Amino acid sequence: EDQVTQSPEALRLQEGESSSLNCSYTVSGLRGLFWYRQDPGKGPEFLFTLYSAGEEKEKERLKATLTKKESFLHITAPKPEDSATYLCAVNSEGGKLIFGQGTELSVKP
Amino acid sequence: EPEVTQTPSHQVTQMGQEVILRCVPISNHLYFYWYRQILGQKVEFLVSFYNNEISEKSEIFDDQFSVERPDGSNFTLKIRSTKLEDSAMYFCASRTRQAQTEAFFGQGTRLTVV
Repeated sequence: EDQVTQSPEALRLQEGESSSLNCSYTVSGLRGLFWYRQDPGKGPEFLFTLYSAGEEKEKERLKATLTKKESFLHITAPKPEDSATYLCAVNSEGGKLIFGQGTELSVKP
Repeated sequence: EPEVTQTPSHQVTQMGQEVILRCVPISNHLYFYWYRQILGQKVEFLVSFYNNEISEKSEIFDDQFSVERPDGSNFTLKIRSTKLEDSAMYFCASRTRQAQTEAFFGQGTRLTVV
């Protein structure tokens, strides 16, 4: 059964304090791993797609990396506006997304 | 920038009533989905829809649920007789291909069953 586990559940950072979020996955044949950002009461907002081990994608202060068992979302010098819940999902057979429970990031000024 | 739009943003309904949640997917997308998120829990898959038929559904998607694409733009989720446990955020999503492409989500409909 395809599964996604994210850690930590919550992360509090000071502005400028870099850190990483983890997403561990088990899937029968990776068809894409996705990172989304979700603000309270809103829908998931697409950030990155990763397809194969070793791949990296960057956008502003965020960088996503992928290995055969996990993905990391690195946040460099975060700002308060980066506060959100970050969701990881894998594409299961048939096309449905299997989500992790998310990491709630809070960045204090 | 194209986006998925959902209406209404918030719906309050009495237990046992029927509700219809509406979505307008991105225009050139072919695959459509409904997901839901109970407060404090994971986003979970309900149903996928392609070529005017359901391609996959979860155990949650029982006989009380149905989906329809009545015209070339709208995609609806109907719950025939709502229960208290149906209270959740419901998200519509669409994508160009089934695999290896990102899905774009709407802002959601918050359904509250009282």
